[in-house]
Amino acid sequence: EPEVTQTPSHQVTQMGQEVILRCVPISNHLYFYWYRQILGQKVEFLVSFYNNEISEKSEIFDDQFSVERPDGSNFTLKIRSTKLEDSAMYFCASSELLGVYEQYFGPGTRLTVT
Amino acid sequence: AQTVTQSQPEMSVQEAETVTLSCTYDTSENNYYLFWYKQPPSRQMILVIRQEAYKQQNATENRFSVNFQKAAKSFSLKISDSQLGDTAMYFCAFMKQSAGGTSYGKLTFGQGTILTVHP
Repeated sequence: EPEVTQTPSHQVTQMGQEVILRCVPISNHLYFYWYRQILGQKVEFLVSFYNNEISEKSEIFDDQFSVERPDGSNFTLKIRSTKLEDSAMYFCASSELLGVYEQYFGPGTRLTVT
Repeated sequence: AQTVTQSQPEMSVQEAETVTLSCTYDTSENNYYLFWYKQPPSRQMILVIRQEAYKQQNATENRFSVNFQKAAKSFSLKISDSQLGDTAMYFCAFMKQSAGGTSYGKLTFGQGTILTVHP
């Protein structure tokens, strides 16, 4: 069964460094999402992406964050200058069509900022 | 803004028994979707069940069913004949529907309920 994959599974970085989290959505999916979950807190929406542009973003998704689909398979989340509070589990998701159709989630990348 | 609340941080049930997980939400929207997602210890979230707010009939998927009370803004999940593989974190989630009948895809999650099924 097709699945969303994410790399790396765990990333440790120093405060102020740039990180890129990578996701490979399911191949025929058109809509892509990033969510994050700070330890012990809710899963929070960051951004949705379609047709090479952002469809919607949350207040969390400030200028330090960017997303890109650099080729036909990868979907990346870049954090330009990481802060301690960016430490979280980051989940990528994709869906075939918009909205009510099931979002398939990846296993997540645990980002630790020291 | 929408909020989703799961008031039970942890629940446990014996194998083969029935358990109900609670979820309430707050929204001014009339058209929306509600979901239950399961996140097993391997941490990949999977969709369990989906409910469209315009449907009065409660959704069912095999052993999983919901009790959707739109006026009360309540959306509970019932798991019948619990199995050891049901042990997981369960998230209730909300998605707004746009005026065009589609939706924007943004899921708003509750805090989650850890369910443990005991043999």
